[in-house]
Amino acid sequence: GIQVEQSPPDLILQEGANSTLRCNFSDSVNNLQWFHQNPWGQLINLFYIPSGTKQNGRLSATTVATERYSLLYISSSQTTDSGVYFCAGVPSGGGADGLTFGKGTHLIIQP
Amino acid sequence: ETGVTQSPTHLIKTRGQQVTLRCSSQSGHNTVSWYQQALGQGPQFIFQYYREEENGRGNFPPRFSGLQFPNYSSELNVNALELDDSALYLCASSLVSQSEAFFGQGTRLTVV
Repeated sequence: GIQVEQSPPDLILQEGANSTLRCNFSDSVNNLQWFHQNPWGQLINLFYIPSGTKQNGRLSATTVATERYSLLYISSSQTTDSGVYFCAGVPSGGGADGLTFGKGTHLIIQP
Repeated sequence: ETGVTQSPTHLIKTRGQQVTLRCSSQSGHNTVSWYQQALGQGPQFIFQYYREEENGRGNFPPRFSGLQFPNYSSELNVNALELDDSALYLCASSLVSQSEAFFGQGTRLTVV
C-alpha cells in the first residue's frame, strides 16, 4: 500500500501565528482530504482537494498531484485550532478503496 | 440533512466476546466505510460497502465482518475480541465510492 508522511509530527505555536502542514504520498492518490480531529475523536472535513488550491476563511490548502504532496495553511491561529490534523487519500492504483491516512500533525495553539 | 451517526458512543467488552457497532450514513450516500483508530495513530481502513456488497477491504482478519442494509446503514461485527481491538471505530459515508468521505463521531471500544 501507499505511505503517507505528515510533517511536522508536533507543532506548538502562539495564538496569531501562521503555520504550514505538509503531506507527502509515496504514490498517486485520488480523493485527497484534510481533516481536523476534535478532542472527542470526530474527524471534521477541512478540504477535499485532489488538485489545485482552495481557501476557507483562515485555512487554505494546495495539492500538487504530479509531485504527490499537499499543504495545509493555517493563518492567524486561534486556540480552537488545536488538535490533530490528518491528510488522507485513496490509492489511484486500484485495490481497496479506503482512505490511507498519515499519522497526523498534533497542533497546540497557546494563548 | 442528517450527518453520519454511530452507536453506541462507548462500549466495554470482555476478551473473547463479540461486538456489533452501527452506523447510519448521510442522507443520499450509498457507500459506507469503516476505520479503526488506535491511540496516537491515524485511522486504518477496515472495509467498504457499496449497495450492500463489500467492495474493498484493508488488512484486517476475517473476524472483522460487516453488513450494509437497503437503507445504506451499516454494521461492523467483530468476533473473538482481543485486547488489541481496543480503539476508536469510525464510520464514513460518501455519495459514491471514491468521492468525499464524511465521518461519524466514532465508537470507542475498550476490551478488557
